[in-house]
Parts: sequence; C-alpha cells; structure tokens
Amino acid sequence: AQSVTQPDIHITVSEGASLELRCNYSYGATPYLFWYVQSPGQGLQLLLKYFSGDTLVQGIKGFEAEFKRSQSSFNLRKPSVHWSDAAEYFCAVGVRGNQFYFGTGTSLTVIP
Amino acid sequence: EAQVTQNPRYLITVTGKKLTVTCSQNMNHEYMSWYRQDPGLGLRQIYYSMNVEVTDKGDVPEGYKVSRKEKRNFPLILESPSPNQTSLYFCASSTYSGGADTQYFGPGTRLTVL
Repeated sequence: AQSVTQPDIHITVSEGASLELRCNYSYGATPYLFWYVQSPGQGLQLLLKYFSGDTLVQGIKGFEAEFKRSQSSFNLRKPSVHWSDAAEYFCAVGVRGNQFYFGTGTSLTVIP
Repeated sequence: EAQVTQNPRYLITVTGKKLTVTCSQNMNHEYMSWYRQDPGLGLRQIYYSMNVEVTDKGDVPEGYKVSRKEKRNFPLILESPSPNQTSLYFCASSTYSGGADTQYFGPGTRLTVL
C-alpha cells in the first residue's frame, strides 16, 4: 500500500539557518511527489513537485527538493530560512488515477 | 481570480442532522477531491472525481457522499453526521493526468459535530 512518512512532527530553526524536512514514501512505481505548505488558517499551496527527469527540483520561495529513488526519499531544503517560512509542510504522493496520499506534516517554527 | 471556494467556512451541528458542504472551482478543472485534516493524521482523501458523473472512493469514504453533476461543483454530503466527523475539510481541484497534477485547495471548512 502507498504511504508517506514525515518523521519529524515539529522542527525549530533560527532565522537564517538552513532547513531540511524529511519525507519517505512507499510506492511500487515511480511516484509523483509533491511538497505543500499550509500557513495558519489557510489552505495548502504547492511548493514544488517531481515527475521525472532531474532529481533536484526547484520550487517557490527558495525551496528545493531532491528525489532519491534508492532511499525512497524526497527531502525538502532551504539554505536560509525566513520568519515567514513558519508553517506546516506536507509531503504527498500522487498515484495513477489521481489518488493522493499525504504525510502527517511537519510543523516549522522559526526563532528570530 | 482562479480559485476554489467552500461554504460554509465554519459549521457547528448536531449528530444526525444532514449537512452539505459546497465546493466550487472556476478553473474548468476536470479533477476535484475532498480531504479531511486531523491532528497527527495529516490529510486523508475522502472522495475524488475525475470528471462529471465520475466519482471514486479515497481512503476514508465511510459516512460521506459526493456528487458531480456539473464540472465546477463537487458537494460533500454528510447524511447522518457523527462526532468522529468533526474535522477540517478541504476541497481541491486540478487538471487530470493520472496523479501528476498540482492541486489547488480551497480555504477549508471547519466542522464540529456535537
């Protein structure tokens, strides 16, 4: 069965520090992978997505993610975090037929 | 402005009283979906629709109904709500190409069932 694991429930980083949010997935074929961000009281907004090709993908707001097939991972990174990045981040897998599976989310706190 | 709208945004109801949460998109998207978000569980897909009159179950369909009579609308129906359906609900839409598409999410509906 398909599943998405985000092992870190909550992460705290200082403003200006680098960030890495982990995501592991379980799916038999090459998945479609997504990272979404949810600001407090808001819906979800797409940060970036991976379908095929270059395993390092760039997204909005300075985020990037790297697909590693051997590790079944799709970790999200940002070199320098801003206070406005405080939010909840969700990794998701899209499978054939447009079914989607989301991780449980990682809540990011940014310390000034 | 391209958007997904949901109504109502907040709803408090009682067990067993039928309710409908509406979802509408103005992007001419084929695909629409409903999710519920619960603390510690992330988002779980309830139902999805790949086009008019085509709907299918997601991971947690029990206690919910949907219909897709028009392309732009995808209402979620709770015929006999129970307290375990207290949750934050999101509608989303996208073009359709087999799981590869960006979903656009509505603002959410917070439902409380007493």
